[in-house]
Amino acid sequence: AQSVTQLDSQVPVFEEAPVELRCNYSSSVSVYLFWYVQYPNQGLQLLLKYLSGSTLVKGINGFEAEFNKSQTSFHLRKPSVHISDTAEYFCAVILGRGGTSYGKLTFGQGTILTVHP
Amino acid sequence: DAMVIQNPRYQVTQFGKPVTLSCSQTLNHNVMYWYQQKSSQAPKLLFHYYDKDFNNEADTPDNFQSRRPNTSFCFLDIRSPGLGDAAMYLCATARGSSTDTQYFGPGTRLTVL
Repeated sequence: AQSVTQLDSQVPVFEEAPVELRCNYSSSVSVYLFWYVQYPNQGLQLLLKYLSGSTLVKGINGFEAEFNKSQTSFHLRKPSVHISDTAEYFCAVILGRGGTSYGKLTFGQGTILTVHP
Repeated sequence: DAMVIQNPRYQVTQFGKPVTLSCSQTLNHNVMYWYQQKSSQAPKLLFHYYDKDFNNEADTPDNFQSRRPNTSFCFLDIRSPGLGDAAMYLCATARGSSTDTQYFGPGTRLTVL
């Protein structure tokens, strides 16, 4: 079975500080990895995804993430956050071919990022 | 703008009274998903349609049903809502490949009294 663990339920930071939101996954087959953001009272919006190729993935709003297969991690980073980045962030995986749940998006528990002025 | 629309945004129902949530899309995507997101939890896939083919998750209760009368619309029916069914229900669409980006609607928050 696959699982996704987001190590921090809440991350408070000050505006213009760097931030890292951590995500680890467990799977015995290849995975595709995603980060979604959810603003209050809104649906989820894709920030970035890793399917193959370069392990450093750049997304929208200045976010990037690095796929580390040996550490089974896909941490999300931003060098300088803004007040408007305050939201909940979800890491998610889809199993590659050969898994039992091909095509199913499984989410982590979410990390609430709060940016203070 | 092409988008995913969910109606209503807020729904209040009584214990045991059937309720239907609606999702429509202007993206002309083949796949439509329904997720349940309880407070402070991750979204959990209930089922999805690939065109007219219905795919139910093994742990989705029988109380939850879905209909997709055409490409644009998909409905979530809860036959006898219990207090534990109070949640945000999210609809999402995707073009067709399993790794295609899923586009989410704003969700319907269901309250069960």
